[in-house]
Amino acid sequence: DIQMTQSPSTLSASVGDRVTITCRASQSISSWLAWYQQKPGKAPKLLIYKASILESGVPSRFSGSGSGTEFTLTISSLQPDDFATYYCQQYNSYLYTFGQGTTLEVK
Amino acid sequence: QVQLQESGPGLVKPSETLSLTCAVSGDSVSSYYWTWIRHLPGRGLQWIGYIDSSGSTNYNPSLQNRVTISVDTSKNQFSLKLTSVTAADTAVYYCAKGQLVLENWGQGTLVTVSS
Repeated sequence: DIQMTQSPSTLSASVGDRVTITCRASQSISSWLAWYQQKPGKAPKLLIYKASILESGVPSRFSGSGSGTEFTLTISSLQPDDFATYYCQQYNSYLYTFGQGTTLEVK
Repeated sequence: QVQLQESGPGLVKPSETLSLTCAVSGDSVSSYYWTWIRHLPGRGLQWIGYIDSSGSTNYNPSLQNRVTISVDTSKNQFSLKLTSVTAADTAVYYCAKGQLVLENWGQGTLVTVSS
């Protein structure tokens, strides 16, 4: 199985901050990576796919980059609605796997 | 806008079968791919498997012998059955639209395995 490791596990930040979450794959997954946002009690929401393509309707302050084994999700200017847990997911191999999640909390 | 809603018993006894249903609105289960995922406490998200528009399925090898995903087009829903459950199957179960990338998710339903 391809292991996905996110860092940090928890990130404390303030509104207006630029934040970056990293996701590392245990082997190359090309650009077959998605990012999801989840708020407590809510359905996860697709933000980005193919490492850098923004899903329709997702604010442009979100961006993704990377290829191979290292990927980042960046929020350029944190908004109150962005405090949530973020997951990466690889879909390079048919046994799709997820990162353990990064919780973005208010500093 | 596609909406998905999981339903089923919140408590299942060990060795019994977990059965969940995902009702879909805003799209037809006769098209595309439909997936089940679960969030295991302390272990993160685990992909369970999917079913496609032709009824073909693909399952996580670690669950292959115990899992069945099926579609009911008359009710526009799809289902998950997991047999011989143990406490390790306690999780929040999610249904989602998509195969590789999960475009829409349900809110999830907690299933506890306990006697």
